[in-house]
Amino acid sequence: GAVVSQHPSWVICKSGTSVKIECRSLDFQATTMFWYRQFPKQSLMLMATSNEGSKATYEQGVEKDKFLINHASLTLSTLTVTSAHPEDSSFYICSATYRGREKLFFGSGTQLSVL
Amino acid sequence: GENVEQHPSTLSVQEGDSAVIKCTYSDSASNYFPWYKQELGKRPQLIIDIRSNVGEKKDQRIAVTLNKTAKHFSLHITETQPEDSAVYFCAASGGDSSYKLIFGSGTRLLVRP
Repeated sequence: GAVVSQHPSWVICKSGTSVKIECRSLDFQATTMFWYRQFPKQSLMLMATSNEGSKATYEQGVEKDKFLINHASLTLSTLTVTSAHPEDSSFYICSATYRGREKLFFGSGTQLSVL
Repeated sequence: GENVEQHPSTLSVQEGDSAVIKCTYSDSASNYFPWYKQELGKRPQLIIDIRSNVGEKKDQRIAVTLNKTAKHFSLHITETQPEDSAVYFCAASGGDSSYKLIFGSGTRLLVRP
């Protein structure tokens, strides 16, 4: 089956620093990738949709200048949390699909803790 | 945009009993409805999905039903086992052709031995 790799699996950083999370599709070309955020005991909230070679489409309420998304190739999307603050601490998880398939394949998630 | 509501938020059943989780969606154009099981700190695992041209789908102890007219769908787990204990999420997509999944709020299922 389709495999999506996400790194790092966890990261601890100081307030004010930036953190980059990578999401790679290992055995398929991901035409579309999605980034979700999940707070403890809550649901997965869609942050943005990214299509290869295009600017990401952000959901309402998500700051695009704070959460930078790049989908420069068909196998890699990155999420950069800029100037992270403690309230950005969360579980971030990516998912990917390819043309014509509505089934999403999820990465393993990244637990971000901002001190 | 799409909005998915899920009930109940917690569900406790005795081992061997059945569990039912219900979801409603708002966008009548949505056409794909997956269910995920998530364990703490792990990625969601797809357990079953259904498309809008089908009313019911079954896979061993798990079944999903869809009522397009009422815009609701349900997950049924029979003969529950302790290892079924987890958080279950419903989701919907396809309303805007973007394949983005909108998730319900989740149901924490506890199967008591």
